[in-house]
Amino acid sequence: EIQLVESGGGLAQPGRSLRLSCSASGFSFGDSAMSWFRQAPGKGLEWVAFIRGKPYGVTTEYAASVRGRFSMSRDDSKSIAYLQMNSLKTEDTAVYYCVRVSYDASWRGYHLDHWGQGTLVTVSS
Amino acid sequence: QTVVTQEPSLTVSPGGTVTLTCASNTRSVTSGNFPSWFQQKPGQSPRALIYMTSNRHSWTPARFSGSLLGGKAVLTLSDVQPEDEAEYYCLLYYGGAQFVWVFGGGTKLTVL
Repeated sequence: EIQLVESGGGLAQPGRSLRLSCSASGFSFGDSAMSWFRQAPGKGLEWVAFIRGKPYGVTTEYAASVRGRFSMSRDDSKSIAYLQMNSLKTEDTAVYYCVRVSYDASWRGYHLDHWGQGTLVTVSS
Repeated sequence: QTVVTQEPSLTVSPGGTVTLTCASNTRSVTSGNFPSWFQQKPGQSPRALIYMTSNRHSWTPARFSGSLLGGKAVLTLSDVQPEDEAEYYCLLYYGGAQFVWVFGGGTKLTVL
């Protein structure tokens, strides 16, 4: 069974940093792409960051709203994905979800399948 | 700025059929946008339903189907069940110069 468990959320002041972790199990983590999404209270979903798996070079992509402030990385030896969030703003307040991303070779594209339960980040003074 | 638009709300009777749409402000939605659909119930994480326009995940009931029609991505729910009441989000991929995923604003489906 595929499981994704996020941790590291909490309260942070504007301008400070937080690091989220996503512990994965039940699949070949190193070969899989992973992504972070978020959902502000009472709002819709927003893509945050994406990291390719080892077969595709472990490169990253970011939404414009977080580029330059957030950084996604992975430790394949521990099956953990990270989201380092710096220079936090009040508008970063949201539930952050870790998602496994599968690559479809026939379509040459990625799609989301398994979601974690989310971790709440609150940015407030 | 890329904006993806969905119906804010729809109501359907149990056993009925309903169609949800997903449109892009930049151009017609195509298979190259890899349209996908997600269901989210209150207090729960989103659950993937459809990927690559029309492919169901192993856990997706057959009454959910995806397609392209009139330049939009479409999610059709047939024989709607009370448990289908939820928020539904579409997701589009915009490749090219930059890798971008954009969600629609969501459709609140009420089964009444």
